[in-house]
Amino acid sequence: AQSVTQLGSHVSVSEGALVLLRCNYSSSVPPYLFWYVQYPNQGLQLLLKYTSAATLVKGINGFEAEFKKSETSFHLTKPSAHMSDAAEYFCAVIRGEKAGTALIFGKGTTLSVSS
Amino acid sequence: NAGVMQNPRHLVRRRGQEARLRCSPMKGHSHVYWYRQLPEEGLKFMVYLQKENIIDESGMPKERFSAEFPKEGPSILRIQQVVRGDSAAYFCASSLQGGNQPQHFGDGTRLSIL
Repeated sequence: AQSVTQLGSHVSVSEGALVLLRCNYSSSVPPYLFWYVQYPNQGLQLLLKYTSAATLVKGINGFEAEFKKSETSFHLTKPSAHMSDAAEYFCAVIRGEKAGTALIFGKGTTLSVSS
Repeated sequence: NAGVMQNPRHLVRRRGQEARLRCSPMKGHSHVYWYRQLPEEGLKFMVYLQKENIIDESGMPKERFSAEFPKEGPSILRIQQVVRGDSAAYFCASSLQGGNQPQHFGDGTRLSIL
């Protein structure tokens, strides 16, 4: 069965510092992986997706993630944090061995950015 | 606004009442998913529907909860005889196709049970 684990429920960085949000997956088949961001009282916005085309995936707002099969990881990074990046971030995997249906989410990581 | 539209944004019900949550998918999308977000638990899948069909309801509680996506109109998540534990944010997402297509989320309905 597919699952994702986000390490660290809360990450704090200074403005301009590197952002690293960790996600490890478990999957019996090649996974389809996603990162979403949620701002307070809003829905989830898709940051980027991995669908096996390339291991380094670039997303919106300067974020990118690297798929590492050997480490079963899909960590999210951004070279320089901005105050507007403060939000909750969710890693997700498509459930099931056949493509389709539900997303399985990690518990989320809250990113705080200080000036 | 071409995004996923959910209404109401906030809904207050007393225990025992019924709650109806509506979701209009993005234009052209015929796949709808409902998720529930509880504090400290993250987002959990509830049900996946296509027009007039429930494809996967494995995440739905066995009682009091139902969902539909009629040929015309929005998808409806219905909770009968609400209890305090139903208080949560309910999110709808839609996709152009099933499979690994990205799901686009609405802003959610915050349900509060008095």
